[in-house]
Amino acid sequence: ILNVEQSPQSLHVQEGDSTNFTCSFPSSNFYALHWYRWETAKSPEALFVMTLNGDEKKKGRISATLNTKEGYSYLYIKGSQPEDSATYLCAFLDSWGKLQFGAGTQVVVTP
Amino acid sequence: DVKVTQSSRYLVKRTGEKVFLECVQDMDHENMFWYRQDPGLGLRLIYFSYDVKMKEKGDIPEGYSVSREKKERFSLILESASTNQTSMYLCASSKGSAGELFFGEGSRLTVL
Repeated sequence: ILNVEQSPQSLHVQEGDSTNFTCSFPSSNFYALHWYRWETAKSPEALFVMTLNGDEKKKGRISATLNTKEGYSYLYIKGSQPEDSATYLCAFLDSWGKLQFGAGTQVVVTP
Repeated sequence: DVKVTQSSRYLVKRTGEKVFLECVQDMDHENMFWYRQDPGLGLRLIYFSYDVKMKEKGDIPEGYSVSREKKERFSLILESASTNQTSMYLCASSKGSAGELFFGEGSRLTVL
């Protein structure tokens, strides 16, 4: 059973459209939330490490928000491009130092 | 460019064989991790290490062992490979307890 849940499992987006998806995690013993992007045939790469409730982080067209009290984080992609096609992983770090990953959201951007 | 390097991208082994997966990082990170990734499941932690010669069991350590004789190298060992160990194995390293993970490209192991 995954304590970290990501939805949807996959989504298809037209180039130029914006999209968002969710990571849900336990609201207790929170220490940090990580977001990673994993492109096919490459290594997962960190996008954000978020630690504070209400945190908002941005990297180019990708941004993320964090709500630790209710246990969710949103990742947004603005104006999707084909190079945004990847699996996006979130990971919850609890106060005991254990990092638990969700199963990921696979994003396919079609031209 | 910082790197985590895994020794083999693809391996095919037979049931009962001993398998070594090697991982080397060049960032002087204290922490190193081994995960496996299977369809529909998140990355699952097998073992991790916070220091040389130190190892801790993760969530699914059964059937695996590890070795960390040098800070930069963390090896995963399958003493007697079984078909249910067919998977993608990812090595990662990090600095500090909450630091982002730096991943290798993965080793896809098939056990026949």
